[in-house]
Amino acid sequence: NAGVTQTPKFRVLKTGQSMTLLCAQDMNHEYMYWYRQDPGMGLRLIHYSVGEGTTAKGEVPDGYNVSRLKKQNFLLGLESAAPSQTSVYFCASRAAGAGNEQFFGPGTRLTVL
Amino acid sequence: GDSVTQMEGPVTLSEEAFLTINCTYTATGYPSLFWYVQYPGEGLQLLLKATKADDKGSNKGFEATYRKETTSFHLEKGSVQVSDSAVYFCALDDRGSTLGRLYFGRGTQLTVWP
Repeated sequence: NAGVTQTPKFRVLKTGQSMTLLCAQDMNHEYMYWYRQDPGMGLRLIHYSVGEGTTAKGEVPDGYNVSRLKKQNFLLGLESAAPSQTSVYFCASRAAGAGNEQFFGPGTRLTVL
Repeated sequence: GDSVTQMEGPVTLSEEAFLTINCTYTATGYPSLFWYVQYPGEGLQLLLKATKADDKGSNKGFEATYRKETTSFHLEKGSVQVSDSAVYFCALDDRGSTLGRLYFGRGTQLTVWP
């Protein structure tokens, strides 16, 4: 039982490049989330999904796209990276229902030059 | 809308000191409340939770009581250790919605010196 895993752990991009961050969970959770964490800003929700094939915008969705084609995977895409997207990205998953714990992945540190 | 406000950091304490990190919330319904901890270089992990008013969550010597009358969920520990150095996040569960969101505070950095 690996929990929530994220690929890659680190990445450096040049402005304008694209990339996809992969999140996988093996707990059969319905809900999945992508956050970014910046110094002094706490966690900000980018996009989330309440089930396979569904996605929704969070607080800071601009410049990102997501897909949830399989229940266990949640992909975060950057089509044209900008320096403002330099951040640490966390994926999380959670079982449906009130009071359930959100499980976090180890994070991806992305630098955009 | 739902929100969480927690005390600004950083908090610096000596080993064995008493810790309080304040957390207050705004919610339209009856949320569940959580404290998460993030150790350096890691993701967040659940520290404790409470799902209804007057419940006390506890774990690893940390405690927090869900106070509906003051809309608070303050984190306390009687005697901190160096290994407690981390960032602590208060969060609430948007229970009134099917969207399943958690709302996080901005986090409080705790450093404990030997």
